[in-house]
Amino acid sequence: GENVEQHPSTLSVQEGDSAVIKCTYSDSASNYFPWYKQELGKRPQLIIDIRSNVGEKKDQRIAVTLNKTAKHFSLHITETQPEDSAVYFCAAISGGGADGLTFGKGTHLIIQP
Amino acid sequence: DGGITQSPKYLFRKEGQNVTLSCEQNLNHDAMYWYRQDPGQGLRLIYYSQIVNDFQKGDIAEGYSVSREKKESFPLTVTSAQKNPTAFYLCASSINLNQPQHFGDGTRLSIL
Repeated sequence: GENVEQHPSTLSVQEGDSAVIKCTYSDSASNYFPWYKQELGKRPQLIIDIRSNVGEKKDQRIAVTLNKTAKHFSLHITETQPEDSAVYFCAAISGGGADGLTFGKGTHLIIQP
Repeated sequence: DGGITQSPKYLFRKEGQNVTLSCEQNLNHDAMYWYRQDPGQGLRLIYYSQIVNDFQKGDIAEGYSVSREKKESFPLTVTSAQKNPTAFYLCASSINLNQPQHFGDGTRLSIL
């Protein structure tokens, strides 16, 4: 099955700086890569996703890049704000979805004022 | 994500007791999922259902059971065979297996 590794487990950045979270996956057939943001005690919320037919996708301060050859994808947050503080999860879906989503273990992003 | 409702928000289980967690969605989604989340861990898939009257085991199905008698509902039963049930349980749904998943607010299960 799919295996997703996520790094770092904790990331602390100054407000206004950029943050980058990286994930690798093992199944070359994986074709869909969502990112979720989870605030303490709340539901994960989809913030951006990318499919394997594109290399980059951007939505305001958030962007995701995908390198299919190297089997890794990254989340980039620019001009970080206090409300960006949360746990971020990457995920990959393979097998046409038959195997469900496989999640990374999460990155706790801390925005320092 | 207001279309997915999980209940109760908190649940306590006694030793040897089965408990059932409810998940209802009004998004007309075919696929539904149950995940378990432990502190410092990602989400692990327990069961998923692609369509009514069909469901498949995920990575950690032992000690759990599900049913999918209606499109809107996908209840999860935590049986007494699950020896370490304390966790945060999240239900999700999607249009189909290859589309974004949307989550409910979760149920926090604890042992008395």
